[in-house]
Amino acid sequence: SQQGEEDPQALSIQEGENATMNCSYKTSINNLQWYRQNSGRGLVHLILIRSNEREKHSGRLRVTLDTSKKSSSLLITASRAADTASYFCATRAYSGAGSYQLTFGKGTKLSVIP
Amino acid sequence: ETGVTQTPRHLVMGMTNKKSLKCEQHLGHNAMYWYKQSAKKPLELMFVYSLEERVENNSVPSRFSPECPNSSHLFLHLHTLQPEDSALYLCASSSDHSGANVLTFGAGSRLTVL
Repeated sequence: SQQGEEDPQALSIQEGENATMNCSYKTSINNLQWYRQNSGRGLVHLILIRSNEREKHSGRLRVTLDTSKKSSSLLITASRAADTASYFCATRAYSGAGSYQLTFGKGTKLSVIP
Repeated sequence: ETGVTQTPRHLVMGMTNKKSLKCEQHLGHNAMYWYKQSAKKPLELMFVYSLEERVENNSVPSRFSPECPNSSHLFLHLHTLQPEDSALYLCASSSDHSGANVLTFGAGSRLTVL
């Protein structure tokens, strides 16, 4: 399966601490995307990182990509209670016949305790 | 408001009912998607439309019937569903269907089948 696998499945931290979530995948990818989902809502895009990029930042978010290890990490610095959500990685990979597919993992559930 | 609107937000139906989910996007995107999200499972891609043409159908049971009358509207017609079809149904759109660009999701329609 091409899907990304997030690790850990659940993470609980105190407000102000940093949170790190990891995503591993199995075959070569074209890009990797991170999304956040608040409970019972739709997913919101956070960062897209291409296979030729190693690191991207957006505010308190930092995403790294290591294609040799087929893994990515999402770091949230100085966490806030509002960061409480599920975080998903999605990998874009060639699926044959000239098509690409975006495949999501099961997500990491982050709880930030005030 | 993300620019992708789903209605209804909540739906309860019996196994013999016929109902429809509606999705509308105001982003000028060319691709629209239906995803199914069940507890503890990865997001499942159901259907993809590009410029009103279905480009992907991931072995979805025929009791789910999509319709895309134009590039801004997407429907999911439901009939004779099973209790295991209870889930959050997410609509998304993107500028193209290749996965090269990010998806914008709606807030979802929570479906309960009795």
